[in-house]
Amino acid sequence: NAGVTQTPKFQVLKTGQSMTLQCAQDMNHEYMSWYRQDPGMGLRLIHYSVGAGITDQGEVPNGYNVSRSTTEDFPLRLLSAAPSQTSVYFCASSSGFSGYYEQYFGPGTRLTVT
Amino acid sequence: LAKTTQPISMDSYEGQEVNITCSHNNIATNDYITWYQQFPSQGPRFIIQGYKTKVTNEVASLFIPADRKSSTLSLPRVSLSDTAVYYCLVGDKGTALIFGKGTTLSVSS
Repeated sequence: NAGVTQTPKFQVLKTGQSMTLQCAQDMNHEYMSWYRQDPGMGLRLIHYSVGAGITDQGEVPNGYNVSRSTTEDFPLRLLSAAPSQTSVYFCASSSGFSGYYEQYFGPGTRLTVT
Repeated sequence: LAKTTQPISMDSYEGQEVNITCSHNNIATNDYITWYQQFPSQGPRFIIQGYKTKVTNEVASLFIPADRKSSTLSLPRVSLSDTAVYYCLVGDKGTALIFGKGTTLSVSS
């Protein structure tokens, strides 16, 4: 199993550009989530999904959109990038939606917005 | 949602035992306590989980007192490679896991 994969690894955007961060998992997990991590900070939850067709907002959802059309994929869209969105983005998946289930994280996408 | 409080940073030397304590005064009956480890430039990875008393695996031990209002992650005989950020999470059933800032552990030789 590849686990959780994220593409791209690095990305530089100009202010106002849009892009999609890709996340895929091959463990048949129902629950997927996106976090961002800023320097010296912990992880902050952006959006999450408890299954295909179901998404919800986390702590810092503004400026980001998500959709979940398949169990495997959970892309994160930045509609109009801003310098404040410069961060490292992590995608995670788990088999259940509660603190009991182990979350598996991807390697991250390092995004810079100039 | 149960909130956790843990030290921002800790320093240790190789070969020592390190104990990181996490407070979670509002823990709910169904909550589990989970610890994650994050190395620089990597995503967090699961270390250990418990509900009450003591749990031990090949990486760490987790001590939880009877009132469950705190927990202690114990790393025996740390090495330089244990330098990382350690997160304590308390999960409500049916809600997303929230990570805090974690504890940055620095191990020196």
